[in-house]
Amino acid sequence: DTGVSQNPRHKITKRGQNVTFRCDPISEHNRLYWYRQTLGQGPEFLTYFQNEAQLEKSRLLSDRFSAERPKGSFSTLEIQRTEQGDSAMYLCASSFGRTADSYNSPLHFGNGTRLTVT
Amino acid sequence: SQQGEEDPQALSIQEGENATMNCSYKTSINNLQWYRQNSGRGLVHLILIRSNEREKHSGRLRVTLDTSKKSSSLLITASRAADTASYFCARGQKVLVVVRGVGGTSYGKLTFGQGTILTVHP
Repeated sequence: DTGVSQNPRHKITKRGQNVTFRCDPISEHNRLYWYRQTLGQGPEFLTYFQNEAQLEKSRLLSDRFSAERPKGSFSTLEIQRTEQGDSAMYLCASSFGRTADSYNSPLHFGNGTRLTVT
Repeated sequence: SQQGEEDPQALSIQEGENATMNCSYKTSINNLQWYRQNSGRGLVHLILIRSNEREKHSGRLRVTLDTSKKSSSLLITASRAADTASYFCARGQKVLVVVRGVGGTSYGKLTFGQGTILTVHP
C-alpha cells in the first residue's frame, strides 16, 4: 500500500490558463473522489468515480472543470480558463467497495495539489 | 456547502490534558467519521462510528455518537504535541446512483465540517 499519490504538489498559474492534476489511487481501490478545500474550511465534494464511470458531480463542478478516470486507474482533473476563485487545495481520495456495506468504508486521501491562480 | 458544524473552532491545551471536539449535523447519517489533517497535507482517517453505535475507542481516541441530538464528540486523552493538527468530522451518507439507466449502485459520500484546530503545547 503506497498510498494515494497526487501530482503536482503545487501549481501556480495565471488567470485564464488551463491546468491538469493527476491522482493515482491505491491500486486495488475501485472508488475515487475529488474534493476541494479552501483555507480554513473542510473539504467539499466535487465528483465520484466507480471504476471508470463518473457517477456523481457536485454543482460546484462548473463547465470549466472536467474529470476523467480512464480504465478505472488514475484520474485527472482539468480546470479550463482558471479564475482566481479556483485557488484551493484539490484533494483526491480512494476507497475499496464491493459489498453492500461498502458505503461505510473510510477514505484514503492524497496530500493534495495546491493551486494558486494569479 | 458544509453540513457539519464543529465546536470549538480552535482549541489550545497543554501536553497531557484531554482534548474534546464536538460535531453537530442536520440530516440523517449512515456513519460519522473523524479525520486529522496536518498543515499542508491530506486528511488521515482516525475513526468511523456507524449510526447504530454509540461509542467507539481506538487507542487514545474515544468517539461518541448521539443520533437523537445529531451530534458526535471526539476525545483525545493524554494529548501530545504531535497531536497538533486540524480535526474534521464528516457525515457519511449512503448515496444511490443510477448506472446507465438500467441499474443502480451505492457509495458512501462524505460531507465535512469546518474543522477544529487543535494546538497542544509541550
